[in-house]
This record gives sequence, C-alpha cells and structure tokens, in this order.
Amino acid sequence: AQSVTQLDSQVPVFEEAPVELRCNYSSSVSVYLFWYVQYPNQGLQLLLKYLSGSTLVKGINGFEAEFNKSQTSFHLRKPSVHISDTAEYFCAVSPNTGNQFYFGTGTSLTVIP
Amino acid sequence: EAQVTQNPRYLITVTGKKLTVTCSQNMNHEYMSWYRQDPGLGLRQIYYSMNVEVTDKGDVPEGYKVSRKEKRNFPLILESPSPNQTSLYFCASSWDRGHEQFFGPGTRLTVL
Repeated sequence: AQSVTQLDSQVPVFEEAPVELRCNYSSSVSVYLFWYVQYPNQGLQLLLKYLSGSTLVKGINGFEAEFNKSQTSFHLRKPSVHISDTAEYFCAVSPNTGNQFYFGTGTSLTVIP
Repeated sequence: EAQVTQNPRYLITVTGKKLTVTCSQNMNHEYMSWYRQDPGLGLRQIYYSMNVEVTDKGDVPEGYKVSRKEKRNFPLILESPSPNQTSLYFCASSWDRGHEQFFGPGTRLTVL
C-alpha cells in the first residue's frame, strides 16, 4: 500500500523567512510526485511536479522541491515567504504501476507579519 | 474559460436518499477523478476515469458509484448516503496522470 506522510501539520513562519515543508512517501516502484496548494474555500492548484530527470524542480510563486530517491522524500522549499503564501499545502504521489493518486494529510502554512 | 464545474456546491440531505453530484470539464481532458477531503485525512481518491466508459476504484470507493458516458462529464452517485459520507468533495480533470489536475470548486455534503 502507498502512503504519503507530511511530517508537519502546521508551520508558522515569519514573513520573508525561508520555509521547508516536508513530504515522505512509501513506494516500492517509481512514482510521480506533486505539490498542490489550497487557499481558503478554494480547490487545489498545482505548485510543481516531478516526473523524471533533474531532481530539483522549480514551480510557481518561487517554490521549489527536491526529489530524494534514497530517502523517498520530496520536500518543498521557498527562500522567502510572503503573507499571500498562507494556505494549506498537499503533497501527492502517483505510482507508475497504476493511475491512482495518494495525497498527504496537508500542512497548514501560516505566514506571520 | 477553462474550468471544472460541480453542482450543487452545497447539499444537506438525509440518510438513504439517493443523490448525484455532477462534474463537468471543458478542456477535453481524458483523466477525471473524484476526491473527498476530511479534516486530518487530507484528500482521498474515490474513483477515477481514464476515458469514456473506463472507470476504476480509488482508495475509498465504498458507498459511491460513477459513470463516464461522455468525455466532459463524470457524475458521482451516492445510492444510499450515510452520515459518514459527510465531507467536502472535489472533482478534478487532467490530460493524464502526469499532468496538472484542475480541481473544481468543491461540493460540501452533509448527510443527516
């Protein structure tokens, strides 16, 4: 069975400080990896994805993530956060053996002025 | 405008009364999916469809049905809703598994 673990349910951070949101997954096969953001009362939007190739992936709004195969991790980072980054962030995995998606439980990022 | 629409946006119903939540996309996407979102559990996939007449179970399919008779529509059917199906439901579509999923605005369902 697949699982996605987002290690921090809530992350408070001061404006203009760096942030890392952690995501680990369990899978015996190769996977596609995604980070989505959900603003209050909205659906999800894609931040970035990893399918293959370079392990450092750049996304929208200054976010980036690094795929680490040996540690089965896909942590999301931003060097300087803004108030507008306050939102819920979800890591998602899709194993290459099928067409299902597995989401983590989410990390609530709060940017403090 | 490219979008995924869901109806209704809010629904309160009673146990056992059949209901359908509609989902429609105008992007000619082949992959469509239904998720439920619950506090502390994140999103869980209910069903997905790779194309017309091709559907498959996700992680939590019990108590739900879907159909894909047309490419643009992917309704979610609850034949006999129960209180444990009270949740926020999202429909999503994409070209395929490796592409961005576009999410609908969500349907908040309450089963009394």
